[in-house]
Amino acid sequence: AQSVAQPEDQVNVAEGNPLTVKCTYSVSGNPYLFWYVQYPNRGLQFLLKYITGDNLVKGSYGFEAEFNKSQTSFHLKKPSALVSDSALYFCAVRDRTGGFKTIFGAGTRLFVKA
Amino acid sequence: GAGVSQSPSNKVTEKGKDVELRCDPISGHTALYWYRQSLGQGLEFLIYFQGNSAPDKSGLPSDRFSAERTGGSVSTLTIQRTQQEDSAVYLCASSLREGPENIQYFGAGTRLSVL
Repeated sequence: AQSVAQPEDQVNVAEGNPLTVKCTYSVSGNPYLFWYVQYPNRGLQFLLKYITGDNLVKGSYGFEAEFNKSQTSFHLKKPSALVSDSALYFCAVRDRTGGFKTIFGAGTRLFVKA
Repeated sequence: GAGVSQSPSNKVTEKGKDVELRCDPISGHTALYWYRQSLGQGLEFLIYFQGNSAPDKSGLPSDRFSAERTGGSVSTLTIQRTQQEDSAVYLCASSLREGPENIQYFGAGTRLSVL
């Protein structure tokens, strides 16, 4: 069965510092992996996805994520955090074998302090 | 409209009442999803529609939950005889076509409170 784990409920970072939001997954075969962000009082927005190819994926707002097959991880990163990055981040996985169902992690709340 | 529209944005109801939640997907999007987001939880898949195919209802938590999609566009999620544990934010998403790599576009959600 597919599953996604976001081991940190909350991540605190100072503005200007690098940030990492962790995600590990379990799926049979190779996955499609996604990050979505939810700003306060707004719907989820797509950030980036891994389909195939380069393990380092670049997305919106300066975010990037690294796919690591051996560690079954897809950590979200940004070199320099902004206060406006404070939001709830969700990692998601879909199975390539034809399933449409997207499994989302529980979310990690990111606080960036000025 | 430009995005996925959900209504109402907030719904307060009494235990035992029925509620209907509406989703207008992005025009031209053939795939539509319903999720439930409870406090402190991730998104829980409820149901999926793709074109004229039979919907996948495998995520619906009980037979009190049902959904339909009329004309391949607007969808309604109905919860009968609401219970307090049904309180959550119900999110709708659509995507241009079905494919596991496709991006989902989410509405702002309906916050349901069952008293």
